[in-house]
Amino acid sequence: KNQVEQSPQSLIILEGKNCTLQCNYTVSPFSNLRWYKQDTGRGPVSLTIMTFSENTKSNGRYTATLDADTKQSSLHITASQLSDSASYICVVSPANDYKLSFGAGTTVTVRA
Amino acid sequence: SQTIHQWPATLVQPVGSPLSLECTVEGTSNPNLYWYRQAAGRGLQLLFYSVGIGQISSEVPQNLSASRPQDRQFILSSKKLLLSDSGFYLCAVRTGTGGLSEDEKLFFGSGTQLSVL
Repeated sequence: KNQVEQSPQSLIILEGKNCTLQCNYTVSPFSNLRWYKQDTGRGPVSLTIMTFSENTKSNGRYTATLDADTKQSSLHITASQLSDSASYICVVSPANDYKLSFGAGTTVTVRA
Repeated sequence: SQTIHQWPATLVQPVGSPLSLECTVEGTSNPNLYWYRQAAGRGLQLLFYSVGIGQISSEVPQNLSASRPQDRQFILSSKKLLLSDSGFYLCAVRTGTGGLSEDEKLFFGSGTQLSVL
């Protein structure tokens, strides 16, 4: 069973609208949790990184939240733009392991 | 700042041919290096990771192999490609102590789209 589960698998939103992506994990103990944006055919690019002591982190129109007690994270996209169309991946770094745990990603499609 | 180079960007190879994908890193020393494969619409599958020169751990039995001849060079190879080897290959670098630190960096190469025909 994957230690990082993302939902929804995909979603379609209209330009200008907001959306929220979910990430639930079972990795413990963990070092940090990151959200990445991956455009089709490109490598993932970091959006946010949070340690277990942080609750929220923003990067422009992207805001990530973390609840270490419930092991849940979310990524909120505000006022979506066409360029936000991409796959968004949640990555958890274990504290005592070199292996990283990846979610399968959420594919976001923004339509005009 | 760290820079990761991965090439080639795209590759079309016949079944049974050899493969060599290269990844090099600049701006850091003794990083943890990873090779991932991503099938269309799927998550990243860890293939190999390395914590030092000559140290390779394999996650999935397959006809691929990896080598780390230098600290900042990671190579993915195959002697004979299969159709199932098609996919998007990503090299990743993890720097820092790996402890509870936000200074730990994780970044990816631009990827190689491999099509085996």
